[in-house]
Formats: sequence, C-alpha cells, structure tokens
Amino acid sequence: AQTVTQSQPEMSVQEAETVTLSCTYDTSESDYYLFWYKQPPSRQMILVIRQEAYKQQNATENRFSVNFQKAAKSFSLKISDSQLGDAAMYFCAYRSSEIMDSNYQLIWGAGTKLIIKP
Amino acid sequence: DSGVTQTPKHLITATGQRVTLRCSPRSGDLSVYWYQQSLDQGLQFLIQYYNGEERAKGNILERFSAQQFPDLHSELNLSSLELGDSALYFCASSVAPLTQETQYFGPGTRLLVL
Repeated sequence: AQTVTQSQPEMSVQEAETVTLSCTYDTSESDYYLFWYKQPPSRQMILVIRQEAYKQQNATENRFSVNFQKAAKSFSLKISDSQLGDAAMYFCAYRSSEIMDSNYQLIWGAGTKLIIKP
Repeated sequence: DSGVTQTPKHLITATGQRVTLRCSPRSGDLSVYWYQQSLDQGLQFLIQYYNGEERAKGNILERFSAQQFPDLHSELNLSSLELGDSALYFCASSVAPLTQETQYFGPGTRLLVL
C-alpha cells in the first residue's frame, strides 16, 4: 500500500522569503500523480500544484514549484516570495494512475502548518 | 471557489442521531468522492461514486452510507453517531475517474457530535 509522509509538522518563514516543504512517499508503482493542497483557516481544500510522475520536468505554478525526485520518492514544495496569504496547512497527496476503481482515491500526508512571519 | 458545493456548512447533533450531508459536484463532473478529516486520523477516503454507481470504498464505517442521484448530487448519511464521528467531511468531484483527473474540493461540512 502507498504511504505519504510529511515529516515537518510546522514550518515558519519570513514574509518575502522562500520556504520548502518536504514530502516523501512509498509506492511500488512506476506511474502516479502527486499533489500539493493548501488548507487555509477557512478549511477549504485548495489545489496548489500537480505533478505527473512520468514527466521529468518539475511543475510550476507562479510562486509555487516542486522538486520531484522520483528515484528518491521525494516531492517537495517550494514557495517563493512568501506572502501572508500563504499561511495554511499544506498537504501532500498521492494518487495511482493505474486504471482501477480502487485507485482513484487520494492518499494523504499528515500536513505541514506553514506560518508566515510579517 | 472550486464549484463544488456542500450543505450544511456546520452541523451540531447528539450521539445516536442520524444526519445527511449533501454535495453538488462541479458542472460536468460525474465522479464524487467523500473524505473525512479528523484530528486523530487526518484525511481519509470514505467512498467514491461515478455517474450514480459506487466505485470504491475506503475506511467507511458500516454506520455510514452514501449515494449519488441521477442529477449527480451526492449524499452521505451518518447514523448512530458517536463522539468520534466529529470531523470535517469533504466532498470532491472530478470529470471522470480517469488517470489525469484532479479532484476539486468543496468547502466541507463540519460535524460536531455532542
């Protein structure tokens, strides 16, 4: 069974600086999808970025980028120019790409609380 | 705004009671997923429906059930509620349970069992 681990329960960063959140996962599959979701105090779950395992290029969305290391099974999120609105819980999630009904669920890490210091 | 709606936003009830949570997926999405987020167990997948049919079950208790209606909205029924059922319940939707589909989440229903 696949597992996702976020080893940093909490991280803090100064506003305008860069922070990296870590995520590792365990799987025997060769193709899969990885996601970062953000959960602000409103508790809404918001997709930040998505990475397909078959793509070598790291995904980027504006100030958010990932460092995807497939061999190391690592998927870290880098937030550049941190803003106060980035303060939230960040969850890493895994999803299989095998076409099987039981594979479409997201498997979640425990989350990292990101604090932005003004 | 993801386009997924959930009602009610908050629900307070007593142990032993039954509640129904409702979810309307994004326009055009055929697949609905239910997740539970609790303090002690984190985020867990409960169940998935596609175009009215159950497709996958996760850690869903026998006291819980769900269905997806012809208009594609879904309901999660929780019965014989216990204190430990207090959690945030999310609904997510995607176009179809295909490999490339991203799940978009509703705002959640916060359930408090007293």
